[in-house]
Amino acid sequence: AQTVTQSQPEMSVQEAETVTLSCTYDTSENNYYLFWYKQPPSRQMILVIRQEAYKQQNATENRFSVNFQKAAKSFSLKISDSQLGDTAMYFCAFMKHSSGSRLTFGEGTQLTVNP
Amino acid sequence: GAVVSQHPSRVICKSGTSVKIECRSLDFQATTMFWYRQFPKQSLMLMATSNEGSKATYEQGVEKDKFLINHASLTLSTLTVTSAHPEDSSFYICSATKGQGAGANVLTFGAGSRLTVL
Repeated sequence: AQTVTQSQPEMSVQEAETVTLSCTYDTSENNYYLFWYKQPPSRQMILVIRQEAYKQQNATENRFSVNFQKAAKSFSLKISDSQLGDTAMYFCAFMKHSSGSRLTFGEGTQLTVNP
Repeated sequence: GAVVSQHPSRVICKSGTSVKIECRSLDFQATTMFWYRQFPKQSLMLMATSNEGSKATYEQGVEKDKFLINHASLTLSTLTVTSAHPEDSSFYICSATKGQGAGANVLTFGAGSRLTVL
C-alpha cells in the first residue's frame, strides 16, 4: 500500500516571499503520478501541479514548482511570490499508474500567507 | 475545462432520515467517480469507487448499506446516506475522471456537500 506523508501541519509566509511545502511517499511502484492540490476556505479542491514519475524534469506552473526526487521519494512544492490567495490547505497526493485513478492523500499542510 | 457539479452544497436533516447527494460531470463522460469524506482540518478519506453500470467498490470500514452509491449513467453518481445519525455529519466530496487514455490520471472535484444531521 502507498502512503503519503506531509510533516508540516501548518506553515506561514509573508506575502511576496517563497515557501516550500514538504511531501514524502512510500511505494514499490515504478510508474505513478504525484499531485499537489489546494483546498481554500471554499473547500473546492483545485489541482495545483502534476508530476509524472517517469519524467525527470520537475513540473512548473507559473509561481508553483516541484522538487521531485524519485530515489528519495520526495515531492516538495515551492510557491514563489506568495499571494494572499494562496492561503489554503495543501494536499500532496499519489496515484499508481494502474490504480484506476485512485488517489492517496497526505494529511495536508495549512498555509497562511500574511500581508 | 472539465466541470463537476455536486448538489446540494449544504443539507440539514433529522436523525433517522435518508439524504441523497448528487455528483454530475457536466461536460465529459465520467467512467469512474469517487466519493470522499472529510472531517474538519483533516485529509480526504476515500469511501468508495463508483464505476458506471457496476456496483461500487467500498473501502475497508465503510458500511455499504449505510452509504449507498449508484452510478447509473456516465454523468451521474449519487451517494445516499441512509438512516442518518449525528455521527454521519461531515463534508462529502466527489471526484470524476474520464478514466481512459490521457484523462485517466486527471480528476475533477465537486465543490463538496456539507451534511448536518440533527
